[in-house]
Amino acid sequence: GAGVSQTPSNKVTEKGKYVELRCDPISGHTALYWYRQSLGQGPEFLIYFQGTGAADDSGLPNDRFFAVRPEGSVSTLKIQRTERGDSAVYLCASSNTLSYNSPLHFGNGTRLTVT
Amino acid sequence: LAKTTQPISMDSYEGQEVNITCSHNNIATNDYITWYQQFPSQGPRFIIQGYKTKVTNEVASLFIPADRKSSTLSLPRVSLSDTAVYYCLVVAGSARQLTFGSGTQLTVLP
Repeated sequence: GAGVSQTPSNKVTEKGKYVELRCDPISGHTALYWYRQSLGQGPEFLIYFQGTGAADDSGLPNDRFFAVRPEGSVSTLKIQRTERGDSAVYLCASSNTLSYNSPLHFGNGTRLTVT
Repeated sequence: LAKTTQPISMDSYEGQEVNITCSHNNIATNDYITWYQQFPSQGPRFIIQGYKTKVTNEVASLFIPADRKSSTLSLPRVSLSDTAVYYCLVVAGSARQLTFGSGTQLTVLP
């Protein structure tokens, strides 16, 4: 079956611009996660959704970052007034239950470059 | 969250067994251990998870001693395509987010 899909795969934007990154989770997965990964580092947690609500947004670095999941499926990560330090790969993952031992299924990420 | 320590890098040759050990001295009673693999330009992929003793699947084995302060991921007969970063994570039963460290870069040589 289809895995987690993220679009676009690459995004180049100018400093100060607004960007949206999209994630299509595996069908039926109730939990959705966003991570950010810088070169040479492991993924860093940003936010996770249980259904439509953000259950934990403690990883969002500041108020320029916002994510939504209005219908409990597709999610969009929104970044306002982008800065060069926002350049990274943004990963989305989903899992099929809220059981603590459900593995996460990751997409291949969106590589964001802020010039 | 329990902190994990694993080697930054390892080299191996095709056909060898590779063992990557992870230390997690302050693991809590309800925590379990999970390993992910990541290839360049891809998201991490779940490999295996366990709570104690030994777990085996078609990809790897996971050995966890009785004190659970460490764990060892064992990859039998590696091939060039096993070259990747391997992450050891300790997941708290009450938490939902995964905390990744920097992982172990495994390079398999011909």
